[in-house]
Amino acid sequence: QVRLVESGGGVVQPGGSLRLSCAASGFTFSSYGLHWVRQAPGKGLEWVAFIPHDGSGEYYADFVKGRFTISRDNSKNTLYLKMDSLRTEDTAVHYCAKGDGGSGSPDYWGQGTLVTVSS
Amino acid sequence: QSALTQPASVSGSPGQSITISCTGTSSDVGGYNRVSWYQQHPGKAPKLMIYDVSKRPSGVSNRFSGSKSGNTASLTISGLQADDEADYYCCSYAGSRTYVFGTGTMVTVL
Repeated sequence: QVRLVESGGGVVQPGGSLRLSCAASGFTFSSYGLHWVRQAPGKGLEWVAFIPHDGSGEYYADFVKGRFTISRDNSKNTLYLKMDSLRTEDTAVHYCAKGDGGSGSPDYWGQGTLVTVSS
Repeated sequence: QSALTQPASVSGSPGQSITISCTGTSSDVGGYNRVSWYQQHPGKAPKLMIYDVSKRPSGVSNRFSGSKSGNTASLTISGLQADDEADYYCCSYAGSRTYVFGTGTMVTVL
């Protein structure tokens, strides 16, 4: 079965950096695009970034452009999100999600990792 | 990349049907047949309920159905059950490999 396990969350000061990881299993990792989606405490879901199956491009929401970098290592079945210049408003649970093979929309989700940006 | 508009809350009695709307623009909902719907119980990860406007993943009850007209997509839950009480989010492809979520709807079973 598809399994996605995020890690790397924690508390960081404003302006700081953090790298999230998402370890995947149960499907052919190199065949699917992957997403990062976040959810601030008590708020709704926000799409953050997408990377195609072969890492041939990176696509971002406007609010993270230039600050976050999505990447993947198909040899390790792992997705990453490098977050720089963090702001208090980036505080959220960050989920990784597998993209559907057709439309690319998120289908399977991990349990999320909490990032808290606070001084 | 503005969030899609959903009603903040919808409620219904057990056995009834409810419909949640998701309104976007011609650049997202109206431009592509790539709308998906997610159910999220408190403290849990979202679960895919509908994809490509009206397709149901394996294992999802046929009480859940989706449709789209113009810039508005809809999720209908028929035969409402207590376990359907959750938050629901729509998501649409918005072009150039970007996606946008809806504002979310809290469903209450009376």
